[in-house]
Amino acid sequence: DAGITQSPRHKVTETGTPVTLRCHQTENHRYMYWYRQDPGHGLRLIHYSYGVKDTDKGEVSDGYSVSRSKTEDFLLTLESATSSQTSVYFCAISEAHGTGGSTDTQYFGPGTRLTVL
Amino acid sequence: GDSVTQMEGPVTLSEEACLTINCTYTATGYPSLFWYVQYPGEGLQLLLKATKADDKGSNKGFEATYRKETTSFHLEKGSVQVSDSAVYFCALTSNTGNQFYFGTGTSLTVIP
Repeated sequence: DAGITQSPRHKVTETGTPVTLRCHQTENHRYMYWYRQDPGHGLRLIHYSYGVKDTDKGEVSDGYSVSRSKTEDFLLTLESATSSQTSVYFCAISEAHGTGGSTDTQYFGPGTRLTVL
Repeated sequence: GDSVTQMEGPVTLSEEACLTINCTYTATGYPSLFWYVQYPGEGLQLLLKATKADDKGSNKGFEATYRKETTSFHLEKGSVQVSDSAVYFCALTSNTGNQFYFGTGTSLTVIP
């Protein structure tokens, strides 16, 4: 199994508060991703990173920011949480991206269940 | 743009029944195709993959063949077990895109 951990695993917070989720990997993979999973939507990409300090937006990036100051850590921040951000958040990593080959394979963390009241 | 469409669920089967979950894709380049499985309360795990046309991915009795002519990557298993109960996601990534595209997932329940 790929070495990916997410913290916290569960969090309940109130509307308007800031929240930071952490993803940590021990695989030294270049690419890291944040997804949210909601019923009927499958997985939707929030942001991804292609190196230290290099990030880009995904399909549903509004209301989220990310930072990557070290290869192994990728942080997702909700500056002011809203009830619509209640979801399960998954981090993923891959060696490569956009090659169309097997090194594009993404490996997922265990997820963080976030509830915004 | 690139996309994946997979069979709606939920699917309920008796143990030892045959399983097929349909997946079709649209891609502008030369995609790699994947099936992921998600067990209750867990993250997604790679089940199998195929990186070029006519490749067959296989794992744990599951198989899927990359069919370029029908743009499909259907997941099959000849005899399902209760332990196969999970949500299955079809996905693709392409050499012309910058994202990984997932289907909406198909929930499978296998009853004894």
